[in-house]
Amino acid sequence: AQSVTQLDSQVPVFEEAPVELRCNYSSSVSVYLFWYVQYPNQGLQLLLKYLSGSTLVKGINGFEAEFNKSQTSFHLRKPSVHISDTAEYFCAVRRSSNTGKLIFGQGTTLQVKP
Amino acid sequence: ETGVTQSPTHLIKTRGQQVTLRCSSQSGHNTVSWYQQALGQGPQFIFQYYREEENGRGNFPPRFSGLQFPNYSSELNVNALELDDSALYLCASSLEGGSGELFFGEGSRLTVL
Repeated sequence: AQSVTQLDSQVPVFEEAPVELRCNYSSSVSVYLFWYVQYPNQGLQLLLKYLSGSTLVKGINGFEAEFNKSQTSFHLRKPSVHISDTAEYFCAVRRSSNTGKLIFGQGTTLQVKP
Repeated sequence: ETGVTQSPTHLIKTRGQQVTLRCSSQSGHNTVSWYQQALGQGPQFIFQYYREEENGRGNFPPRFSGLQFPNYSSELNVNALELDDSALYLCASSLEGGSGELFFGEGSRLTVL
């Protein structure tokens, strides 16, 4: 079975500062990794995904994440955040052989302050 | 290209009632999955449909059931509603054999009183 742990429930940060949202996963089989963002009262939007290849993945809105197999981590980073980045962020994992079943973490609330 | 659409967006039911939620897949997608997101939690996988058959299920009781239609749209049915069923229900579509990206709808928020 797979599991995902997001190490911070809330991350407050000032505008234009860098941010890192931490995600660790557990799995005995090959997995794909995802970060989704959820704005208030909306569905989930994909930020980026790791399927294979380069361990540094770039996504939308200036976000990037690094897959670290030895540490089973997939931390999300942004060098300079904006007020509009305030949202809930979810790390997710799925078996590479199963299209639909994503296992999500509990989420991290990113609060960007002016 | 139309995205994933869900209806209704909000609804209120009482304990013991039944509810049906609907989802239209993104154009060209043949797989639909449903997730339950309780307040302050991450989404939990309910089940997935491919070619009109359920082909994966999470830890949800049989009173949660679904359908997928030939046009790949889908329904989620919940019988004998309980207070803990109050949540945002998210539908996601994808292409079997594709990169695995799920495209989510905006959800149906169910309140059970």
